[in-house]
Amino acid sequence: QQQVKQSPQSLIVQKGGISIINCAYENTAFDYFPWYQQFPGKGPALLIAIRPDVSEKKEGRFTISFNKSAKQFSLHIMDSQPGDSATYFCAAHSGAGSYQLTFGKGTKLSVIP
Amino acid sequence: SAVISQKPSRDICQRGTSLTIQCQVDSQVTMMFWYRQQPGQSLTLIATANQGSEATYESGFVIDKFPISRPNLTFSTLTVSNMSPEDSSIYLCSIRLDTSGNTIYFGEGSWLTVV
Repeated sequence: QQQVKQSPQSLIVQKGGISIINCAYENTAFDYFPWYQQFPGKGPALLIAIRPDVSEKKEGRFTISFNKSAKQFSLHIMDSQPGDSATYFCAAHSGAGSYQLTFGKGTKLSVIP
Repeated sequence: SAVISQKPSRDICQRGTSLTIQCQVDSQVTMMFWYRQQPGQSLTLIATANQGSEATYESGFVIDKFPISRPNLTFSTLTVSNMSPEDSSIYLCSIRLDTSGNTIYFGEGSWLTVV
């Protein structure tokens, strides 16, 4: 599996602020880039995902920005809330019958009141 | 989406023993995966378990240590054999719904502690 690099490892944001998490990938065969949210004691839940033919995707307060030439993508959480405090993982797979996800190392987000 | 149920949800296991984790899905799915998440770490793919074929293991994981069964389109088991403390992890079942395109869903995980 090719690597997906994620930063920062941890992030503290004030309530109402913008949380930004970045990922970079190496394998140009990747064609699907999801973000998962994981609360303590729970399995990862799909938050939002993007394909490389789109530069941005927005769902509510969550936006993915995608830069195909730089092989980078990022998650933006607008108006961050304490309930957003969780660990966020970026991931990628190449589809085409594989669908095996390669994950970043995760970002622990803490939103403080 | 789908409901993915794992059993056990948590267990404390003795060194040298084996434990079988069950994964039940409320839909028929072709593609199932097993991932491991070591404490405070990311997820690593153990194997792909497609119905009708032998499980395919990733580098660093072997069938003797992690035997997998996939008897039908809604069920799979992962056994962690001859456990050591290094096997203390969350083991996660995941699926790709045949109708969901690229989306991969995860169960809640089985939290194993080996003492």
